[in-house]
Amino acid sequence: DADVTQTPRNRITKTGKRIMLECSQTKGHDRMYWYRQDPGLGLRLIYYSFDVKDINKGEISDGYSVSRQAQAKFSLSLESAIPNQTALYFCATSDGDRDEQFFGPGTRLTVL
Amino acid sequence: GDSVTQMEGPVTLSEEAFLTINCTYTATGYPSLFWYVQYPGEGLQLLLKATKADDKGSNKGFEATYRKETTSFHLEKGSVQVSDSAVYFCALSDVRIKLIFGAGTRLAVHP
Repeated sequence: DADVTQTPRNRITKTGKRIMLECSQTKGHDRMYWYRQDPGLGLRLIYYSFDVKDINKGEISDGYSVSRQAQAKFSLSLESAIPNQTALYFCATSDGDRDEQFFGPGTRLTVL
Repeated sequence: GDSVTQMEGPVTLSEEAFLTINCTYTATGYPSLFWYVQYPGEGLQLLLKATKADDKGSNKGFEATYRKETTSFHLEKGSVQVSDSAVYFCALSDVRIKLIFGAGTRLAVHP
């Protein structure tokens, strides 16, 4: 079984809809991250959480919110989706004492 | 702020050719440096890392050396295979151990 899972894997939605992307991990890591990937821009950090009570904005947090429901779960929400939020979204985790991150398979989101 | 710049792709090579993908960085501290690989339809996987100057990371025939004097971490492989076709990302970890990625370089290897 995969250590970092993301649901859904693909989603098509309309402008103005609320969307939630979910991430779960079985690695026992404290730290979790949400990135978006756009062609030619690499991965950009949206939000990150170093533990359940510690949530921080990344470089592109506008239009997004997150919830860390438990150590193993970290959800990303788009309150009112817009077309330029069409992207590939990745969740990642890391152990607090190490800097290597482990990535989920990604969620492809299309906002029409 | 900290940043990573890597060569634009796509890089197109024939099987068994030599590969170099350039990566340079800007950082205020002494970051760890990484190469991640993304195969089609998958998430990123760590390929190799180096944690201090002059360290060489290696894995699956790929190598990269942490060069502090030139702020570089170029990825090399002596003989690429079709199965190496993927997108390669250079990254550094900043002071809060967050990763900062380059834009990615797509590699296509033809038989």
